[in-house]
Amino acid sequence: DIQMTQSPSSLSASVGDRVAITCRASQNIATYVNWYQRKPGKAPKVLIYGASNLQSGLPSRFSGSGSGTDFTLTITSLQPEDFATYYCQQTYGNPPWTFGQGTKVEIK
Amino acid sequence: EVQLVESGGGFFQPGGSLRLSCAASGFSLSGSWMHWVRQAPGEGLVWISRIHSDGNTATYADSVRGRFTISRDNAKNTLYLQMDSLRAEDSAVYYCTRQRFDCSTTNCFYWFDPWGQGTLVSVSS
Repeated sequence: DIQMTQSPSSLSASVGDRVAITCRASQNIATYVNWYQRKPGKAPKVLIYGASNLQSGLPSRFSGSGSGTDFTLTITSLQPEDFATYYCQQTYGNPPWTFGQGTKVEIK
Repeated sequence: EVQLVESGGGFFQPGGSLRLSCAASGFSLSGSWMHWVRQAPGEGLVWISRIHSDGNTATYADSVRGRFTISRDNAKNTLYLQMDSLRAEDSAVYYCTRQRFDCSTTNCFYWFDPWGQGTLVSVSS
């Protein structure tokens, strides 16, 4: 199975900060990476698919980049509603489509 | 509103069985691959199973193959997960989700949307 190593596992940031979360795949997965946001008690929500495609209707402060094995989710100008846990997922080939361990973004 | 709602979770003994349900509203399940994903306490998200839109093709993670069975009733707009031979390590929140896609001439990207809120399964003696 393809392993997704996500870092950091948690971070503290202030409103207005720029935040970057990374995922490293255990093999080349081209751009088959998605990013999800999950808030306590809520269902996960997709932010980015195909490494860099912003889901319709979401603010442009969310962006994704990378290809091959290294991927980044960037949030520019962090907003109060962005404090949540973020997960990467690879969808290369057939399942199992594995997830990173998650990054909890907390208020500093 | 597009929504998935899971049900059927609770407390169960090792070796026991249960069936989870996932009811869709606001859209039809019939045209989509559907998946189950779980998250054990303190752990990450783990994909466990998927089923084709026609219900005839299913795939499982190694950890549940032979014990869990995914199925669907498109007429009832509902997805199911039959869980047999339960183990303590099956304790988790179980989510159902729909597979979405975006295809170009060269490739297709897949992602999960929407997700349900999850149903908690606890397996303990």
